[in-house]
Amino acid sequence: GAVVSQHPSRVICKSGTSVKIECRSLDFQATTMFWYRQFPKQSLMLMATSNEGSKATYEQGVEKDKFLINHASLTLSTLTVTSAHPEDSSFYICSARDGGPETQYFGPGTRLLVL
Amino acid sequence: KQEVTQIPAALSVPEGENLVLNCSFTDSAIYNLQWFRQDPGKGLTSLLLIQSSQREQTSGRLNASLDKSSGRSTLYIAASQPGDSATYLCAVAGGGADGLTFGKGTHLIIQP
Repeated sequence: GAVVSQHPSRVICKSGTSVKIECRSLDFQATTMFWYRQFPKQSLMLMATSNEGSKATYEQGVEKDKFLINHASLTLSTLTVTSAHPEDSSFYICSARDGGPETQYFGPGTRLLVL
Repeated sequence: KQEVTQIPAALSVPEGENLVLNCSFTDSAIYNLQWFRQDPGKGLTSLLLIQSSQREQTSGRLNASLDKSSGRSTLYIAASQPGDSATYLCAVAGGGADGLTFGKGTHLIIQP
């Protein structure tokens, strides 16, 4: 089955630093990748949609200059949290779609803690 | 804007019971609906996907139904086991290019 990986699985950083999270589709080409954020005891919220070779589309309320998304290839999308602050601490999950409209394959998530 | 609600928020039952988890959504113009399982601190495991044209899907002890016109879905778990303990998330897709809209989940505990 389709596998999506994320790296790192967990990161702790100081306030003001930038953190990059990678999302890779391991055995298929992902024309579209999605980034979600989940705060404790909350649902997953879509942050942005990323299409290979084009600019990401951000959901309302998500700052595109703070959450930089690069979908440079059909197997890799990166999310960079710039100048991270404690309120950015969350669980970030990516998903990938292989071109068919039906199923998104989710990564295992990255837990970010900003001190 | 699509909103997804899951009831109950939490449920604790003895092993062996049959359960029903509920999901409702405000916009019936969905492409599909998916049920996921999330273990603590982990990612998502897809359980069942129902296309908008379908009424139900079954996998093992799990059965999911969809009533698109009323904006409802149920996840039925038969003969529950302690290993079923997890948070169950319902999510809808509004269109082929869209991300998913998730509910807050039902936190399920199956007591041995």
